[in-house]
Amino acid sequence: SYELTQPPSVSVSPGQTASITCSGDKLGHRYACWYQQRPGQSPVLVIYQDTKRPSGIPERFSGSNSGNTATLTISGTQAMDEADYYCQVSDSSVLFGGGTKLTVL
Amino acid sequence: QVQLVQSGAEVKKPGASVKVSCKASGYTFTSYDINWVRQAPGQGLEWMGWISAYNANTNYAQKFQGRVTMTTDTSTSTAYMELRSLRSDDTAVYYCARGLVVRGVLNWSDPWGQGTLVTVSS
Repeated sequence: SYELTQPPSVSVSPGQTASITCSGDKLGHRYACWYQQRPGQSPVLVIYQDTKRPSGIPERFSGSNSGNTATLTISGTQAMDEADYYCQVSDSSVLFGGGTKLTVL
Repeated sequence: QVQLVQSGAEVKKPGASVKVSCKASGYTFTSYDINWVRQAPGQGLEWMGWISAYNANTNYAQKFQGRVTMTTDTSTSTAYMELRSLRSDDTAVYYCARGLVVRGVLNWSDPWGQGTLVTVSS
């Protein structure tokens, strides 16, 4: 069965760039999207169709997808970006990665 | 603004069924799909299935086939998810989300409802 692999945790200093990866076989052949989930809150879409930002999402969030890896990049990371991040792909079914806890310290 | 409001928390006994509602507002209900996702305590997101609000076509995750039914009521812009034969490991927060399915592929889910906690306990 198809699997998406994310690192369990990523740490970044405020103002620096955070990169969160999502790996899967030939992932670049599918559209990936990313969700942010702050503690106790519902997920929020931050990137869809690999690189697009929904309205209201800050420009510091960007995405890429090529080969076997999709990447969510947060430039100039802020304390408010501390959250869990999930990648998701879809074909005939929908699959989420295991999630990555981003710590801003 | 686009909003999805879910029904309140439920406590069920093993073997029972639960039906969660998701009322949409702020957009044309039949122009999008409704995606259902659950999250067990301290765990990640798990996809359950989606339903087209336009024609009621459904796509259920294999894990839930035979145990889940997703429906919509276009007159009230409300989607429903019923899960039967509940077990303790069905204890989770259940989310609905507006989705866009294109040629059978879910492109994105946004926004999400506030979640409904379903607790299964004897």
